[in-house]
Amino acid sequence: DIQMTQSPSSLSASVGDRVTITCRASQGVRKDLGWYQQKPGKAPKRLIYAASSLQSGVPSRFSGSGSGTEFTLTISSLQPEDFATYYCLQHNVSPWTFGQGTRVEIK
Amino acid sequence: QVQLVQSGAEVKKPGSSVKVSCKASGGSFAGNPFIWVRQAPGQGLEWVGRIIPSLGIVNSAQTLQGRITITADKSTNTAYMELNSLRYEDTAVYYCASTTVTTDDWGQGTLITVSS
Repeated sequence: DIQMTQSPSSLSASVGDRVTITCRASQGVRKDLGWYQQKPGKAPKRLIYAASSLQSGVPSRFSGSGSGTEFTLTISSLQPEDFATYYCLQHNVSPWTFGQGTRVEIK
Repeated sequence: QVQLVQSGAEVKKPGSSVKVSCKASGGSFAGNPFIWVRQAPGQGLEWVGRIIPSLGIVNSAQTLQGRITITADKSTNTAYMELNSLRYEDTAVYYCASTTVTTDDWGQGTLITVSS
């Protein structure tokens, strides 16, 4: 199975901060990677597909980059509604695999 | 956009089986992949499996192989996930999702509790 190593596991940030989350794959997954946001008690919501494409309706402060084994999710200016847990998901090879998640908390 | 409605919460005994349904409306069913994801209490997301109804393609997590069956009924636009020989550690919220390159729609989640 492809292992997705996500870092950091948690971070504290203030409104307006720039936040970067990284996902590293144990083997290349091309650009077959999505980024998800999950709030407590809710289903995940995809923010980014194909590593760098913004899902329709998602604010432009979210962006993704990378290919192969290194991927990054960036929030350019953190907003109050962005405090949540974020996951990467590779879908290049079955079984698909999630990163372990990054919890973004209010500083 | 596809609307997905899942079956309700269940409490099951260890060793028994559970079948969760995911009914789709408002979009393509057969051509879209459906994935199943679970989340144990306080834990991260775990990919369980997927099905592409039109192609009959089914994949599942190796940790669940032998216990999981993923199916789809094109006549009712419903996907199913059945898990057998339930263990305490199968307690989780199970989500279905219809996901393509550009679309991503999720059900509301189904809590399965395994308890004696």
